[in-house]
Amino acid sequence: GAVVSQHPSRVICKSGTSVKIECRSLDFQATTMFWYRQFPKQSLMLMATSNEGSKATYEQGVEKDKFLINHASLTLSTLTVTSAHPEDSSFYICSARVGAAGIYNEQFFGPGTRLTVL
Amino acid sequence: AQSVSQHNHHVILSEAASLELGCNYSYGGTVNLFWYVQYPGQHLQLLLKYFSGDPLVKGIKGFEAEFIKSKFSFNLRKPSVQWSDTAEYFCAVRSTGTASKLTFGTGTRLQVTL
Repeated sequence: GAVVSQHPSRVICKSGTSVKIECRSLDFQATTMFWYRQFPKQSLMLMATSNEGSKATYEQGVEKDKFLINHASLTLSTLTVTSAHPEDSSFYICSARVGAAGIYNEQFFGPGTRLTVL
Repeated sequence: AQSVSQHNHHVILSEAASLELGCNYSYGGTVNLFWYVQYPGQHLQLLLKYFSGDPLVKGIKGFEAEFIKSKFSFNLRKPSVQWSDTAEYFCAVRSTGTASKLTFGTGTRLQVTL
């Protein structure tokens, strides 16, 4: 299957700083990328959907000014957590898909990034 | 809005035991259904999916799931589990259409003992 990578895998930062997480599709071009957040022992919650070259669509309750998403190319999307606070500590997972949702267009998931804000 | 519920949060089985993990969804329209697995320290992987046709779908590693439309269920089964099946299992539903997106259940942690 296709491979999605995330960098870094773990990051620890001080409160008030900004953190950038990269998501890359290594062997395919991803028209659409998704960012999820996973709390301990809870489900993956979709934060936003981004299509290459256009603005991300954020889910209700997700602050777009806090979680900046850029999808500048077909293989790279970035999530920047601005002015991070301890409550932003979580596991962030990206996912990539070729084209529109359909029977052959599976979503592939990255390994996740563990963010800890002190 | 669609939602998914997984009834079992933590399941412990001995090797060779049979497995059934429950998944129910709520959505009034047509859906695609998925089961994902997350092995310790690894990323989510697709186990199997249902789009249409035969409601009994077979996936990788001997897993299968049955879509019962009248019960809004998509339970995951395996006749005989192995220690290597120890992982977190997520059921997910996706509505069809241009704005479709995956909605995940809370996950079931399966622990298989020797």
